[in-house]
Amino acid sequence: GEDVEQSLFLSVREGDSSVINCTYTDSSSTYLYWYKQEPGAGLQLLTYIFSNMDMKQDQRLTVLLNKKDKHLSLRIADTQTGDSAIYFCAEASYNQGGKLIFGQGTELSVKP
Amino acid sequence: NAGVTQTPKFQVLKTGQSMTLQCAQDMNHNSMYWYRQDPGMGLRLIYYSASEGTTDKGEVPNGYNVSRLNKREFSLRLESAAPSQTSVYFCASSLRGGGGGNQPQHFGDGTRLSIL
Repeated sequence: GEDVEQSLFLSVREGDSSVINCTYTDSSSTYLYWYKQEPGAGLQLLTYIFSNMDMKQDQRLTVLLNKKDKHLSLRIADTQTGDSAIYFCAEASYNQGGKLIFGQGTELSVKP
Repeated sequence: NAGVTQTPKFQVLKTGQSMTLQCAQDMNHNSMYWYRQDPGMGLRLIYYSASEGTTDKGEVPNGYNVSRLNKREFSLRLESAAPSQTSVYFCASSLRGGGGGNQPQHFGDGTRLSIL
């Protein structure tokens, strides 16, 4: 079946940039999403990118999409301790009727 | 600003007991979803309802049933709970299915369920 892969952990220092990577297998993906989950909470939509775009910037967040390699990344500039959370990559697959397929989540730890 | 509301927030059950997890949204969304979240496995879709009156199986439907009571409410039932169903359960809704970028899924805060 279709699959979305992420590394499980990332640790950065406050003020540095964080880059969280994601790969997916479904070539029929329409939209790709980044969600943030803080402890004890649900998932909060951070940003998304349509599959015919290669970059989207939203304040401190930059999403890069390499459709040829099926690789998605989320860059957080000037990472703050409040950015510590689990980040999920998800794709909306045309082949799956548009249902979201999630990666395992990357736990970002920001050290002061 | 309620969004998606799930009840209860926490529950402990004994093996074999039944219970229903409730979910309601106030955003006039057509599609609703139930996921379970387990460590290292991301979110897996249990059931979804593309519109009022329809429900379909997701990736891991065994041991669960759902009811789309009306446009606002989508409940998840465990008929005979098993320890393997210990998990965090999330309900989500979207304006419609298809995952369009301008109609993302909005999530509740989850129900933490332990089965002994």
